[in-house]
Amino acid sequence: AQSVTQLGSHVSVSEGALVLLRCNYSSSVPPYLFWYVQYPNQGLQLLLKYTTGATLVKGINGFEAEFKKSETSFHLTKPSAHMSDAAEYFCAVSATFGYALNFGKGTSLLVTP
Amino acid sequence: EAGVTQFPSHSVIEKGQTVTLRCDPISGHDNLYWYRRVMGKEIKFLLHFVKESKQDESGMPNNRFLAERTGGTYSTLKVQPAELEDSGVYFCASSGPLLETQYFGPGTRLLVL
Repeated sequence: AQSVTQLGSHVSVSEGALVLLRCNYSSSVPPYLFWYVQYPNQGLQLLLKYTTGATLVKGINGFEAEFKKSETSFHLTKPSAHMSDAAEYFCAVSATFGYALNFGKGTSLLVTP
Repeated sequence: EAGVTQFPSHSVIEKGQTVTLRCDPISGHDNLYWYRRVMGKEIKFLLHFVKESKQDESGMPNNRFLAERTGGTYSTLKVQPAELEDSGVYFCASSGPLLETQYFGPGTRLLVL
């Protein structure tokens, strides 16, 4: 079985500051890991994903995440926050491609001027 | 290319009534998924179609929920009779033959009064 824990339901950062959204997973098999973003009144959009290979994954809009097996983590980072990054972010895990995604509860990111 | 579309965007019904949600996947995507997010909770998987067949319906909460995908194109999710706890956002997603990414629709916001 797979599950995800996102630490912090709300995170606030200043514009230009580092964004760090935490995700820890539990999986009985090598995990496939995803970060999705939901902007207001829109659907979920894939930011990035980890399957195999390089553990540092780069996504859209300047986001990246690092898979750390020893820490069972897949934290999302962005060096400099923009106002447009304000959204809800979801970490998800699945056993393989095509299987059900198991989501965390989501983290709402607020970016202040 | 059109994305995943869902109809209606919002629905308000009374307890005991019936509601039918529709999802149109990306053209050519054989895989279609339904998910639900109850307020304050994580997004939960409901079921997965491959073409018109139910590949995995382990997330369906009870027999008041009926999903269909006749002809392997669009899908409907019927809730009959609706209960208060069915309120939430229902997301549909689709993926192509490589199964690598699930593309989500904007969701249907269901409120049962």
